[in-house]
Amino acid sequence: DTEVTQTPKHLVMGMTNKKSLKCEQHMGHRAMYWYKQKAKKPPELMFVYSYEKLSINESVPSRFSPECPNSSLLNLHLHALQPEDSALYLCASGELKGQGYGELFFGEGSRLTVL
Amino acid sequence: GQNIDQPTEMTATEGAIVQINCTYQTSGFNGLFWYQQHAGEAPTFLSYNVLDGLEEKGRFSSFLSRSKGYSYLLLKELQMKDSASYLCAVMNRDDKIIFGKGTRLHILP
Repeated sequence: DTEVTQTPKHLVMGMTNKKSLKCEQHMGHRAMYWYKQKAKKPPELMFVYSYEKLSINESVPSRFSPECPNSSLLNLHLHALQPEDSALYLCASGELKGQGYGELFFGEGSRLTVL
Repeated sequence: GQNIDQPTEMTATEGAIVQINCTYQTSGFNGLFWYQQHAGEAPTFLSYNVLDGLEEKGRFSSFLSRSKGYSYLLLKELQMKDSASYLCAVMNRDDKIIFGKGTRLHILP
């Protein structure tokens, strides 16, 4: 069982819709990540939050808007997406220092389809 | 730039041993990871190397040589359930974890 929970598991949306992906972890990790993964490709880093602050934005288009309301939650707000944004969106969490540093715990992902 | 190379596909026989290689060139180095990913599922952590040498964990071992920018994942006593993609990932000096393209491992009975 994963300790990182993502909702929804599946999402279908039109190009004019606004939706959000949610991620929650209760392991006390101080870093949270959003990755995008297309079929048969490796995960691509989108955003990193460290201590609830956005520390890395991999030049992601503004139609993707991350939010970290608290240390356990991470959201990804979606607006005016394109069909090519259809992918599996993976949330991950990890430690920033000390034991367990660097290891990522992944959620099961939210599979997004943009029509 | 960042570059992580690993073979695209490999095939091995049940019960055998297979070694998956990974070479990397990144801006700084803070550790190398191996993840297993079954089709349609999230990656799961297998190993972490930050110092040179071999880390053994059950049937899986991972080796790192920082001077050569090289790692391998060794899987012993292969089982059918080991059929999956194996992702090599490197954390660079900015603490970004960058994934290689993955190696699809096929296990034959």
